[in-house]
Amino acid sequence: DQQVKQNSPSLSVQEGRISILNCDYTNSMFDYFLWYKKYPAEGPTFLISISSIKDKNEDGRFTVFLNKSAKHLSLHIVPSQPGDSAVYFCALTSTSAGNMLTFGGGTRLMVKP
Amino acid sequence: DGGITQSPKYLFRKEGQNVTLSCEQNLNHDAMYWYRQDPGQGLRLIYYSQIVNDFQKGDIAEGYSVSREKKESFPLTVTSAQKNPTAFYLCASSPQGATYGYTFGSGTRLTVV
Repeated sequence: DQQVKQNSPSLSVQEGRISILNCDYTNSMFDYFLWYKKYPAEGPTFLISISSIKDKNEDGRFTVFLNKSAKHLSLHIVPSQPGDSAVYFCALTSTSAGNMLTFGGGTRLMVKP
Repeated sequence: DGGITQSPKYLFRKEGQNVTLSCEQNLNHDAMYWYRQDPGQGLRLIYYSQIVNDFQKGDIAEGYSVSREKKESFPLTVTSAQKNPTAFYLCASSPQGATYGYTFGSGTRLTVV
């Protein structure tokens, strides 16, 4: 049973518009949430994170929203740029799990010029 | 400059042969991980190690083996028992604690010929 799901395998948006990537989870013990970005044939790189005591964290064009009651996490990219085209993974952990991350299946974002 | 290095970038293996993928980090991280990614798929955990001389199986450990004799090194051996070894392999490391996330290597593409 998947604890973390990214239900959209792919997403296509126009340059300059907003990209919204979603992540749903089932385990209420998760208390720290991260997003990673991955280009083909490269390792994922850390993008942005949020702890369960917050509902929003912003870093430039990237904002992560957390809705604990709905067990839902989202990443907003605005404005989207062609260089944002990549696979995005959400990754979740809990204090009790130490440093073990549970990854979602990823969403491929394509930003069209 | 600290980082995590995987080698080689590309590796070809004949059926029936064992092959070892290298992963070295100079970040002084305690924990190290091996993931496998198949085309269009997410990251699946093969093995992880939280401390030197100790490691645990992940979700898909069958056909793989690891060692953790040094803090800096966590090599992965893909044995002939792995039925479908062609994939992209990612190594990661992290310090102790839930809020740091992982640092990933750039990956090794293994192809069975």
